[in-house]
Amino acid sequence: DIQMTQSPPSLSASVGDRITITCRASQSINRFLNWYQQKPGKAPKLLIYSASSLQSGVPSRFSGSGSGTDFTFTISSLQPEDFATYYCQQSYSSIFTFGPGTKVD
Amino acid sequence: QVQLQESGPGLVKPSQTLSLTCSVSGGSVDVGSYYWSWVRQPAGKGLEWLGRIYATGNTNYNPSLESRVTISVDTSKNQFSLKLSSVSAADTAVYFCAREAKWSDALDIWGLGAMVTVSS
Repeated sequence: DIQMTQSPPSLSASVGDRITITCRASQSINRFLNWYQQKPGKAPKLLIYSASSLQSGVPSRFSGSGSGTDFTFTISSLQPEDFATYYCQQSYSSIFTFGPGTKVD
Repeated sequence: QVQLQESGPGLVKPSQTLSLTCSVSGGSVDVGSYYWSWVRQPAGKGLEWLGRIYATGNTNYNPSLESRVTISVDTSKNQFSLKLSSVSAADTAVYFCAREAKWSDALDIWGLGAMVTVSS
């Protein structure tokens, strides 16, 4: 299986901050990397697919980059509704795996 | 607008089989552009992908659960299902169904989730 790691596990931020989360795959996954946002008691929401493509309806303050094994997710200016947990997920393999998550509070 | 809704027992006894169904509305499971997945999340923990099915019936399963998981699709009812056998307390979790779009290889639509507790 392809293992996914994320850092940091959690971060404290304030409204207006620029935040960056990193995700690393245990082997090259090309650009088959997706990012999700999850709020407590809710289903995950797709934000970014294929490493850098913004899902329809998602604000442009969210962005992603990277390829191979190293990826980054950025919120350019944190908004109150962005406090949540963020997960990366690889879809290179037919066996999907998620990162452990990064809690932004 | 496509919506997914999980349904099934909220309480399952140890060693029994967990069964959940995901009903799809606003679209068809028989469209070749999508896979249909199950993901679970124990309380306070991360997301675990369980497996997926294509409209043709082709499946992929998480190897860690493959011996216990079965995902099936019923195109006549426009729904797909999850069966997890020989459950234990470790299978207590919120179970989500989700749609994977083939053009994005991402889970773009999710159900609200169903809480399943394994307890005698």
